[in-house]
Amino acid sequence: RKEVEQDPGPFNVPEGATVAFNCTYSNSASQSFFWYRQDCRKEPKLLMSVYSSGNEDGRFTAQLNRASQYISLLIRDSKLSDSATYLCVVNMANTGFQKLVFGTGTRLLVSP
Amino acid sequence: DTGVSQDPRHKITKRGQNVTFRCDPISEHNRLYWYRQTLGQGPEFLTYFQNEAQLEKSRLLSDRFSAERPKGSFSTLEIQRTEQGDSAMYLCAPREGNTGELFFGEGSRLTVL
Repeated sequence: RKEVEQDPGPFNVPEGATVAFNCTYSNSASQSFFWYRQDCRKEPKLLMSVYSSGNEDGRFTAQLNRASQYISLLIRDSKLSDSATYLCVVNMANTGFQKLVFGTGTRLLVSP
Repeated sequence: DTGVSQDPRHKITKRGQNVTFRCDPISEHNRLYWYRQTLGQGPEFLTYFQNEAQLEKSRLLSDRFSAERPKGSFSTLEIQRTEQGDSAMYLCAPREGNTGELFFGEGSRLTVL
């Protein structure tokens, strides 16, 4: 089983739609979680951290389910500019070292 | 501007040649990561530095790969005797201490012919 798994998509949605991505992780001791966004041929950039209690930033909501070992990202009222690849990142618990493992990314295409 | 400069941005080389990439963070970060990314994949961890000490190295890195961070600031990644399978984007990412955020540079794209 991969350490971090994501549905690669692409997810094709119209403007204004709500879309959700899930990401599963294998190490139950993982401590912190992030969502990064990557535009085509650009470097990844932090979208938001994922807290145990869940967190929201405008149209974006991130949630963590430790029991089922997955995190989710919900995007409401999709904009054309949301088209990108969304990368799930998990900080694997590892003695003396913080290993940040990326998923393969989920591609989102928002159309007019 | 990510605050991380990587050089060169693009490198085309013939198989068997050596290449070196450099990463210069603008501000000081104790922790620095190198990743490799190929088309359609997420970044894959290569190696990690805490200050000048290389604390972890991925199994992906063969003996042809070496990385250094001599003064705990800039870092270099060298690939010896390049192979076509080394073609990828090499990303450097200092990590912010408080938030844990990775700040990626724009990357160095390697093409091995």
